[in-house]
Amino acid sequence: DGGITQSPKYLFRKEGQNVTLSCEQNLNHDAMYWYRQDPGQGLRLIYYSQIVNDFQKGDIAEGYSVSREKKESFPLTVTSAQKNPTAFYLCASSIGLINTGELFFGEGSRLTVL
Amino acid sequence: AQSVTQLDSHVSVSEGTPVLLRCNYSSSYSPSLFWYVQHPNKGLQLLLKYTSAATLVKGINGFEAEFKKSETSFHLTKPSAHMSDAAEYFCVVSAVRAGTASKLTFGTGTRLQVTL
Repeated sequence: DGGITQSPKYLFRKEGQNVTLSCEQNLNHDAMYWYRQDPGQGLRLIYYSQIVNDFQKGDIAEGYSVSREKKESFPLTVTSAQKNPTAFYLCASSIGLINTGELFFGEGSRLTVL
Repeated sequence: AQSVTQLDSHVSVSEGTPVLLRCNYSSSYSPSLFWYVQHPNKGLQLLLKYTSAATLVKGINGFEAEFKKSETSFHLTKPSAHMSDAAEYFCVVSAVRAGTASKLTFGTGTRLQVTL
């Protein structure tokens, strides 16, 4: 079945540690996105990528980094510079520019900083 | 600039009664509007979308929404709620300026509770 796979589903981190969240898609979509979700707030865009080896900052990129070495993969690293990293992280993809159609989401990764 | 306001953070209905989730938007350009649903600890799934075609949009699971430009609204409705409809619902706006990439703006969500 085609879709988006995020791992791990739950992750605990000590302060000062970097962690990497995995996102893989087999939908052959060009565009991929990372969103952060906090209780009572809408989704906020961290980074997005429309083609391999290219990505752009979203609204809250500080403290995060990404790479897009393969079309199928868009990992997100939460660095120690992110002051409040505890959140639910969602990866998404779309065929092309997001205004032309729907986003397909993974099931999310919940990061807790101890 | 664009924004979206979901007027209710929490809505509770009885099974079999109508559902109304309210959404107002603002946009400098002709918007596309979406409703997404999220079940606990899951990703979001598209319910329906408006992209300047018919103003009454039908989606999955019996949901529909009506685009009203004069009221800048895009309310989500369903004639009869089912227990499986209990989830969080997000209204989303996307507005495009010619020659630029679009951006999605998410509302803060409405949690729908369905009781017996």
